[in-house]
Amino acid sequence: GNSVTQMEGPVTLSEEAFLTINCTYTATGYPSLFWYVQYPGEGLQLLLKATKADDKGSNKGFEATYRKETTSFHLEKGSVQVSDSAVYFCALSVGNQGGKLIFGQGTELSVKP
Amino acid sequence: GAVVSQHPSRVICKSGTSVKIECRSLDFQATTMFWYRQFPKQSLMLMATSNEGSKATYEQGVEKDKFLINHASLTLSTLTVTSAHPEDSSFYICSATPPGTMVEQYFGPGTRLTVT
Repeated sequence: GNSVTQMEGPVTLSEEAFLTINCTYTATGYPSLFWYVQYPGEGLQLLLKATKADDKGSNKGFEATYRKETTSFHLEKGSVQVSDSAVYFCALSVGNQGGKLIFGQGTELSVKP
Repeated sequence: GAVVSQHPSRVICKSGTSVKIECRSLDFQATTMFWYRQFPKQSLMLMATSNEGSKATYEQGVEKDKFLINHASLTLSTLTVTSAHPEDSSFYICSATPPGTMVEQYFGPGTRLTVT
């Protein structure tokens, strides 16, 4: 079946530190991969996506590369800010599943000044 | 663009009563909407896929008679929690997919349901 596994949180970093949140997946088809972010008290927002192997999604300084050989989609940012504190969800969607999203368990990020 | 709203944002109800949650796509028509449930500090669990004008498709383990979903128009889907119990207390989130894509989903802000 299809599943997503993320590194466990919470992750606590100092401002301007480098961020990596690991995400690996299993899928029976050719998935699209996503990172969503949920700020405190808000709904999910799409952060970035990649729809095929070797694609790199990027937004707001965050990047993730679709690695088919390692079935991974790790999220990275070179210098985090306090405002990046949120819960990050990795997700996949397989085209023949009607657009359904399968989410990882979420990783809480806390950035301290 | 692509804004999805939910109403209410919070609701408290007594055990045994029913609660209706609305999900609206404000600036696009959504042929497909999804309903998720999120427990504290946990991931989102897909409950059902709602297609305009047809019956919802429920995920395994989700009770159809308890969680009634209606998608009567291209901009509105409703989730009714019938005969609610304290274990139904949760954060319910909807998402909507614009036509022409099955990749993008836009999420509502969620509804916090507390059953006392």
